[in-house]
Amino acid sequence: GENVEQHPSTLSVQEGDSAVIKCTYSDSASNYFPWYKQELGKGPQLIIDIRSNVGEKKDQRIAVTLNKTAKHFSLHITETQPEDSAVYFCAASRNSGGSNYKLTFGKGTLLTVNP
Amino acid sequence: KAGVTQTPRYLIKTRGQQVTLSCSPISGHRSVSWYQQTPGQGLQFLFEYFSETQRNKGNFPGRFSGRQFSNSRSEMNVSTLELGDSALYLCASSPFPGQDSEQFFGPGTRLTVL
Repeated sequence: GENVEQHPSTLSVQEGDSAVIKCTYSDSASNYFPWYKQELGKGPQLIIDIRSNVGEKKDQRIAVTLNKTAKHFSLHITETQPEDSAVYFCAASRNSGGSNYKLTFGKGTLLTVNP
Repeated sequence: KAGVTQTPRYLIKTRGQQVTLSCSPISGHRSVSWYQQTPGQGLQFLFEYFSETQRNKGNFPGRFSGRQFSNSRSEMNVSTLELGDSALYLCASSPFPGQDSEQFFGPGTRLTVL
């Protein structure tokens, strides 16, 4: 089955700096890569996703890049703010026409943005 | 529109007991997935239901089971609880299964097994 590795497990940055979280996946058939943000006491929330037919996607201060050859994708947050502090999860899945669909998650990165 | 609702939010049980957790999806969503979240293993997929049918199951023992009702509400049951079952159980709903349908997570049920 799919295996997703995520690094680092913790990341501390100063407000205004950039933060980068990296993930690798094992299943070359995976073609959908979402990123989730989980704040304390809440469930994960989708913040950005990318499909295997594109190499990069950006949404305001966050961007995701995908390298299919290396089976590697990354989350980039620029101009970090204290409210960005949370646990971030990457995930991967393959498209099986709706059946046998499941997300495999990385183990998460605790991001702390210091004012 | 109300979000995904999970009840109860917190639960304490002892080894050997059984527990039932409930999930009410967003109105109009027909697919419900369950995940177990622990510090050591992270988020792990338990199972997915759509139109009252289990479509997919993760690698968990048979003590973990679930069902979905005609109104799309879902329950999961864990029998013969073990200490290692202590976790945050998350429910996620989406309009339909698959990648093209964003999953919306509830706040979870925190289960502690003593």
